[in-house]
Amino acid sequence: AQSVTQPDIHITVSEGASLELRCNYSYGATPYLFWYVQSPGQGLQLLLKYFSGDTLVQGIKGFEAEFKRSQSSFNLRKPSVHWSDAAEYFCAVGDILTGGGNKLTFGTGTQLKVEL
Amino acid sequence: ETGVTQSPTHLIKTRGQQVTLRCSSQSGHNTVSWYQQALGQGPQFIFQYYREEENGRGNFPPRFSGLQFPNYSSELNVNALELDDSALYLCASSSGRDRSTDTQYFGPGTRLTVL
Repeated sequence: AQSVTQPDIHITVSEGASLELRCNYSYGATPYLFWYVQSPGQGLQLLLKYFSGDTLVQGIKGFEAEFKRSQSSFNLRKPSVHWSDAAEYFCAVGDILTGGGNKLTFGTGTQLKVEL
Repeated sequence: ETGVTQSPTHLIKTRGQQVTLRCSSQSGHNTVSWYQQALGQGPQFIFQYYREEENGRGNFPPRFSGLQFPNYSSELNVNALELDDSALYLCASSSGRDRSTDTQYFGPGTRLTVL
């Protein structure tokens, strides 16, 4: 069965510092991978997605992620963090349903705190 | 173009009661998925509806049921509420144009508390 592991439950960075959030997946075929962000009390906003092609994916708000098949990883990066980036970040893998369509399997999330 | 909306925002119920949560999908979307997010956890897939038919189901008991209407809005019903059903319930819609790779767009969620 597919699964996603986010090893870091909490990460604290200083504003202006670089950021990398780790994500490892387990999936039998070529994975469809996503990063979502959730602010307190809010739903999930899509940051970026990988389906195929270029393994470096650009997203919104200056985020990027790199797919590395050999490491089963899809780490999220940002060169300079802003205080408004403080939120919870979820990595997810898409899985095709038998009836068509797809479902998402999420990791447990990484809570990002930004120090001013 | 409106995004995914959910109602109510918050809900408090007692154990054993029944609850109905509602979701309006994004304009042009015919697929709705429901997820349960317990405190401190990632969302877990409950089920998906495509053109008014259940299209797939996660590991949830039958007391979790759903419905999708001709306008593609959806309901999640939970019977015989248990304390562990306390969670944020998220609805997500997708276009259905390329179903295997559709991106899901999430609503703000309904916070259910079971006492």
